[in-house]
Amino acid sequence: DAMVIQNPRYQVTQFGKPVTLSCSQTLNHNVMYWYQQKSSQAPKLLFHYYDKDFNNEADTPDNFQSRRPNTSFCFLDIRSPGLGDAAMYLCATSPGGIETQYFGPGTRLLVL
Amino acid sequence: AQKITQTQPGMFVQEKEAVTLDCTYDTSDPSYGLFWYKQPSSGEMIFLIYQGSYDQQNATEGRYSLNFQKARKSANLVISASQLGDSAMYFCAMREFNTGNQFYFGTGTSLTVIP
Repeated sequence: DAMVIQNPRYQVTQFGKPVTLSCSQTLNHNVMYWYQQKSSQAPKLLFHYYDKDFNNEADTPDNFQSRRPNTSFCFLDIRSPGLGDAAMYLCATSPGGIETQYFGPGTRLLVL
Repeated sequence: AQKITQTQPGMFVQEKEAVTLDCTYDTSDPSYGLFWYKQPSSGEMIFLIYQGSYDQQNATEGRYSLNFQKARKSANLVISASQLGDSAMYFCAMREFNTGNQFYFGTGTSLTVIP
């Protein structure tokens, strides 16, 4: 089945130790999104790609970086995780137009 | 200003009853889409229903329907015949088609279905 896959589902890292979260899709969608979601809050958009065109939200900290080496894969790099970066990270894709987003299952990040 | 407002942090409904979750939006783009998502405790966001700004009729998908009142800028989700499995967070979202690919989310409503 076509889908959005996120690995790992749970990630534990140490304060200040770089961590990479991955997302892949078999939907061949142009747009890929990364959201941060803290408990009982709305998802917060960090950045998105339209093909290789990168769009960073104005309030996304510099600590967060992203790479999209090809259509199928997108990575979220957190260069120096702080305790406040503990959250659920959701990847989503969309073909654009009037279509919805399709979300992956998310990666729960714990920072010790 | 908030693009999407959900004023009900939590709602309770009796099993088999209908429930309405409120959503109002703010945009000057004449072309936009409104989306509802369900997020169970497992964390995955599940798309429920879509309404386009130019759609003449209210969207329906099974037990979900969208009460779209364009002049009031509201897009309320109606769930009929509630089931225990409907207990989850529900998010309303909007995309403005002339201004980019971003989706704007409301703060969500936590729905609890009581047996």
